[in-house]
Amino acid sequence: GAGVSQSPSNKVTEKGKDVELRCDPISGHTALYWYRQSLGQGLEFLIYFQGNSAPDKSGLPSDRFSAERTGGSVSTLTIQRTQQEDSAVYLCASSGNTDTQYFGPGTRLTVL
Amino acid sequence: SQQGEEDPQALSIQEGENATMNCSYKTSINNLQWYRQNSGRGLVHLILIRSNEREKHSGRLRVTLDTSKKSSSLLITASRAADTASYFCATVNSGNTPLVFGKGTRLSVIA
Repeated sequence: GAGVSQSPSNKVTEKGKDVELRCDPISGHTALYWYRQSLGQGLEFLIYFQGNSAPDKSGLPSDRFSAERTGGSVSTLTIQRTQQEDSAVYLCASSGNTDTQYFGPGTRLTVL
Repeated sequence: SQQGEEDPQALSIQEGENATMNCSYKTSINNLQWYRQNSGRGLVHLILIRSNEREKHSGRLRVTLDTSKKSSSLLITASRAADTASYFCATVNSGNTPLVFGKGTRLSVIA
C-alpha cells in the first residue's frame, strides 16, 4: 500500500515569507508526527497528533510554527516569517496500532 | 533534546565485515527502535525491541538491549555496500509517543 507522502519535496523561500508543508499519512493511521532534521543535527520532535486528542505541541521551537490535521488525515505544518535557522529537512511520520513509525521522504526547506 | 548517543559517530568497514553500532539513552523506555537514513531524507524502520526483550534478529540485523545499562547495540552481519547509510536509535517512553533520536552513526561499507 501507499506510504507516507510529503509535499513539496524541496522548498526554497526568502526570509520573512510563510511556508506550508504537507503530509499525507498512511490511511488508517491515527498518530501523526512532525520532526525536523537540521544539517549535522539529529532529529528533533516538533508536534504530535493522536486521534481526536489535542496535539502535543511541546517540540515547536517558536510561535511561528503551527500545524493542523484536518479530518484526522492530512496534516499541514506552517512556518510564518521564516528565518534562515528554519532551514532543515522536515519529516512526517505516522503510526497505527503498533509503536513503529513510518516516515515520509521529507521536505527540504531552504530559507535564503 | 536528544535522548540517545550513538557510538561511533562514523564507521568505515570493508564489504563482508560485520558492523556494530551502539546506543545509550538516559531515561526509562517502553521500546527502542533502529532506523536507517539514506542521503539525509526519509527514515526506514529496521527493528523494534521492547524493554522486556534482550535480543532480536531480523535477517542480517541483530539488536540487543540492556536496560540496566540503558544501552543497545545494532549488529549488521556480512555488510554490503548498500548498507552505507546513517543509522539512528530512537526511544519511546510509552505508547504511541514521539521518538527521541540520537545523532546517528554514519556507516560506510567499502566494496
